Amino acid sequence: DVKVTQSSRYLVKRTGEKVFLECVQDMDHENMFWYRQDPGLGLRLIYFSYDVKMKEKGDIPEGYSVSREKKERFSLILESASTNQTSMYLCASSPPGPLQPGELFFGEGSRLTVL
Amino acid sequence: QKEVEQNSGPLSVPEGAIASLNCTYSDRVSQSFFWYRQYSGKSPELIMSIYSNGDKEDGRFTAQLNKASQYVSLLIRDSQPSDSATYLCAVRGSRGSTLGRLYFGRGTQLTVWP
Repeated sequence: DVKVTQSSRYLVKRTGEKVFLECVQDMDHENMFWYRQDPGLGLRLIYFSYDVKMKEKGDIPEGYSVSREKKERFSLILESASTNQTSMYLCASSPPGPLQPGELFFGEGSRLTVL
Repeated sequence: QKEVEQNSGPLSVPEGAIASLNCTYSDRVSQSFFWYRQYSGKSPELIMSIYSNGDKEDGRFTAQLNKASQYVSLLIRDSQPSDSATYLCAVRGSRGSTLGRLYFGRGTQLTVWP
């Protein structure tokens, strides 16, 4: 069965802390994504990766960085957390495009609160 | 920036009615379109994909695509309370590095009341 696992469901951090959100998929997918979801704003893409060691900025990359050292793992890093980064973070993976269907497999989400 | 717009909702329909969810997109060369359902507190899950003009039916769900009008819709027949969720329209990027990513609308919240 398809599985995308996010390391933490709930986190509470303080302003200025460095935060790591980990995501692991077991489907051998090339593509991995980090989104944040906020009420009224929908899903917004932060970063994505088509392969190991590569990354592409999404629509709201400011304040975030990512790491993809292994195919199955994609990490989101908040170098210095701020209160406006309080959000639900969703990791997803998908098989390679463009001929593959556009199904994203999402993890359960990580709800981050920055105080 | 690709734009994907959905009717703002919330949409409320009685059990057994047809729920109609609409979406427009800005990139006229887009080829692939998707509907995701997201229950409260859960992650989105794919329920329909459509690539060609016309209708595509899957059980009680029908996706409709009109590329000339840049419009995609989702019809839910015989709506059930279990269909109450937020429905997200998504469009695949059409060129270069965007081919592997989806652009999402903000979603329409549907409530089906008994």
